[in-house]
Amino acid sequence: AQSVSQHNHHVILSEAASLELGCNYSYGGTVNLFWYVQYPGQHLQLLLKYFSGDPLVKGIKGFEAEFIKSKFSFNLRKPSVQWSDTAEYFCAARGNEKLTFGTGTRLTIIP
Amino acid sequence: DTGVSQDPRHKITKRGQNVTFRCDPISEHNRLYWYRQTLGQGPEFLTYFQNEAQLEKSRLLSDRFSAERPKGSFSTLEIQRTEQGDSAMYLCASSSSGHSGNTIYFGEGSWLTVV
Repeated sequence: AQSVSQHNHHVILSEAASLELGCNYSYGGTVNLFWYVQYPGQHLQLLLKYFSGDPLVKGIKGFEAEFIKSKFSFNLRKPSVQWSDTAEYFCAARGNEKLTFGTGTRLTIIP
Repeated sequence: DTGVSQDPRHKITKRGQNVTFRCDPISEHNRLYWYRQTLGQGPEFLTYFQNEAQLEKSRLLSDRFSAERPKGSFSTLEIQRTEQGDSAMYLCASSSSGHSGNTIYFGEGSWLTVV
């Protein structure tokens, strides 16, 4: 069965700090990988996605993620976070027709 | 706005009552998904449709839950004899088919509180 693990449940950073959120997936076949963000009171929005090709993908708002097949990982990074990045971040994998989500990481940025 | 829309956004109901949520997907999308999200958890898959056919249902979808997409456009999710454990956000999403990498777009969700 497909599964996604996010190891960081709550991350607290100061503005301008660098960010890396971990994501590992378990799936035997070809998989598409996504990061979604949910700002307080808002709906899920797509940050970035990986289908194939260059394993380093860039998304909106300065986020990027690297697909490492050998480690079954798709970690999210941002070199310098802003207060407005405070949100819940979800990693998701799609191996068939549905998305499987991780439990999410709550990111709190301190001004 | 041409995104996924859901109605109602919030619903408070007494235990034992029936509730129905509606989802209007992005117009050119033929796939429609329902997810459930509780506090502190990621969205959990419930079911999905391709056009009007319901192709997969999760074990989470007990016999009190029924979803329909009669004309392959909007969808409804009905919960009968609601229980307090049904309190959650019900998310609808849509995508197009044909390319496995197509993005799934989510609506703003319908909050259900069972009292």
